[in-house]
Amino acid sequence: QQPVQSPQAVILREGEDAVINCSSSKALYSVHWYRQKHGEAPVFLMILLKGGEQKGHEKISASFNEKKQQSSLYLTASQLSYSGTYFCGTQGEGRNKLVFGAGTILRVKS
Amino acid sequence: DAGVIQSPRHEVTEMGQEVTLRCKPISGHNSLFWYRQTMMRGLELLIYFNNNVPIDDSGMPEDRFSAKMPNASFSTLKIQPSEPRDSAVYFCASSQQGLNTGELFFGEGSRLTVL
Repeated sequence: QQPVQSPQAVILREGEDAVINCSSSKALYSVHWYRQKHGEAPVFLMILLKGGEQKGHEKISASFNEKKQQSSLYLTASQLSYSGTYFCGTQGEGRNKLVFGAGTILRVKS
Repeated sequence: DAGVIQSPRHEVTEMGQEVTLRCKPISGHNSLFWYRQTMMRGLELLIYFNNNVPIDDSGMPEDRFSAKMPNASFSTLKIQPSEPRDSAVYFCASSQQGLNTGELFFGEGSRLTVL
């Protein structure tokens, strides 16, 4: 089953923060986050494994609540370069296929 | 290091024609994935291979689609006969963590238009 992402789209001004959510109806082994710019391939941001860990990469971080089967991606002090479509991908406890959500379009304006 | 290489980058064909998309994964990666992306359906997993063996092809739309991985450095996705609804961007991705599916490295995609 495809994970559900929210919001579908968000517009920010430079320096503002955003949160993108991802939820699944199934127990999860891992959550993956990717960013895709228009006309390009998706690019890996981070993986979170079962265990409720939080990861960060500069001003982009994420959390994974395995009990709620939810993950959130946090973008702080957004930059123009953050614009793109963000996808979460989930992998069930069977560690089988990685299924992506529909994506969240993020636009950062100056 | 070269990334995942896909060809052709663009393909325009007429309904009923055979289409073959090609992918060369990153050397040393043992998992390969074919995804299809459309506005309506997003990124859909079609099939994935681990050590050249198809593990899950449940995402392949129908018998018109077939995929092979004859060796660790080459895979093909074939559509025969093609239909307009097959128009999409087809991405190939590879990973070096097998069934634990680590970071996916995507190719630049093959944009298919079926008229």
